[in-house]
Amino acid sequence: QQQVKQSPQSLIVQKGGISIINCAYENTAFDYFPWYQQFPGKGPALLIAIRPDVSEKKEGRFTISFNKSAKQFSLHIMDSQPGDSATYFCAARYRNDYKLSFGAGTTVTVRA
Amino acid sequence: NAGVMQNPRHLVRRRGQEARLRCSPMKGHSHVYWYRQLPEEGLKFMVYLQKENIIDESGMPKERFSAEFPKEGPSILRIQQVVRGDSAAYFCASSPGSPNYGYTFGSGTRLTVV
Repeated sequence: QQQVKQSPQSLIVQKGGISIINCAYENTAFDYFPWYQQFPGKGPALLIAIRPDVSEKKEGRFTISFNKSAKQFSLHIMDSQPGDSATYFCAARYRNDYKLSFGAGTTVTVRA
Repeated sequence: NAGVMQNPRHLVRRRGQEARLRCSPMKGHSHVYWYRQLPEEGLKFMVYLQKENIIDESGMPKERFSAEFPKEGPSILRIQQVVRGDSAAYFCASSPGSPNYGYTFGSGTRLTVV
């Protein structure tokens, strides 16, 4: 079954707006939560990642918010640009493991 | 540094044929992982290999699928007697050593079974 649930499936945002993607997980043994960005015809590329001992991590216009008690984490894309149009995947990994469990993905379209 | 190289980029096979997907890891990376992405779904782990060893193939279908990573040359994911349900994007990733290092994914092979 899907270990990481991601929503929404797609979203459209105006240039300069904020894109928000949410993920939820059940297994508290996960200890690493990356986000990947995938452009059409390309492989996923690591965008930003967080561990559960941190509630927020920011890199440029991208921010992960992490709520350990709710077992949820989200990606915020501030000041969205047309170049951010891509599919975004959240993922999770167990401690000392190598397998990533991916969400189903969110296709973000930024309108100029 | 050419990154993780996968070929072919696109592969069309008729039902019952064999598909061979190749993956050359990044220079200095000795660990290879294969993932499959079905339409409208996230990536699913298939297999983890080191040179000449299969470490974990728990995500591989029990029949028709096999993988190898020989001492010399690329890693190969082989699908025998392909069926329509095998149509997907297959991604390879590599890491330099310990599994705790982050992955670098290749651009994938899109397999279409007609």
